[in-house]
Amino acid sequence: DGGITQSPKYLFRKEGQNVTLSCEQNLNHDAMYWYRQDPGQGLRLIYYSQIVNDFQKGDIAEGYSVSREKKESFPLTVTSAQKNPTAFYLCASSRWTGKGNEQYFGPGTRLTVT
Amino acid sequence: DAKTTQPPSMDCAEGRAANLPCNHSTISGNEYVYWYRQIHSQGPQYIIHGLKNNETNEMASLIITEDRKSSTLILPHATLRDTAVYYCIVRYNFNKFYFGSGTKLNVKP
Repeated sequence: DGGITQSPKYLFRKEGQNVTLSCEQNLNHDAMYWYRQDPGQGLRLIYYSQIVNDFQKGDIAEGYSVSREKKESFPLTVTSAQKNPTAFYLCASSRWTGKGNEQYFGPGTRLTVT
Repeated sequence: DAKTTQPPSMDCAEGRAANLPCNHSTISGNEYVYWYRQIHSQGPQYIIHGLKNNETNEMASLIITEDRKSSTLILPHATLRDTAVYYCIVRYNFNKFYFGSGTKLNVKP
């Protein structure tokens, strides 16, 4: 099956610890994205990557870091510098088709930091 | 800055058409309009997108006004499983999408 996988579905961490969220896709998409969603809110873009070894900050990149060493993988690290890390994190990928580039989303990781 | 405006919630009777409006008055000529929906605690699901012509697929129809400043997503025969938050999105900058708060559609029996 083609798609996007995120693991784990639920993640718990103590305050002050860095944590890395996994995102893998086998859709052969060039672009990948990380979003954050807080309760009752829309999605906010954290980072995105258009090609391997390149990534750009989104609207709320502070306290987060990413890497894009392989086309299939785009892990997100939530650092201790992120003041409010508890949220629902969504990974997506897309490719340009010539008629738009719809994004496909993973199932999400719910991170709780106490 | 918000790129789209949607009503926060709407109700629809099961079996009837659900018409979800979206205003995107600042849209530029080469920006597509996308619609996604999100069922609670899941990743958003792509529904449909368009540039200036009306579009239809197996899930929905998208009607875009001639001036492109607004659009309407139509679910022709809403079911209880269509209860979700629906996002209207305009792509701005290459590969950047702005997701607002969306419209919570409640389909009632």
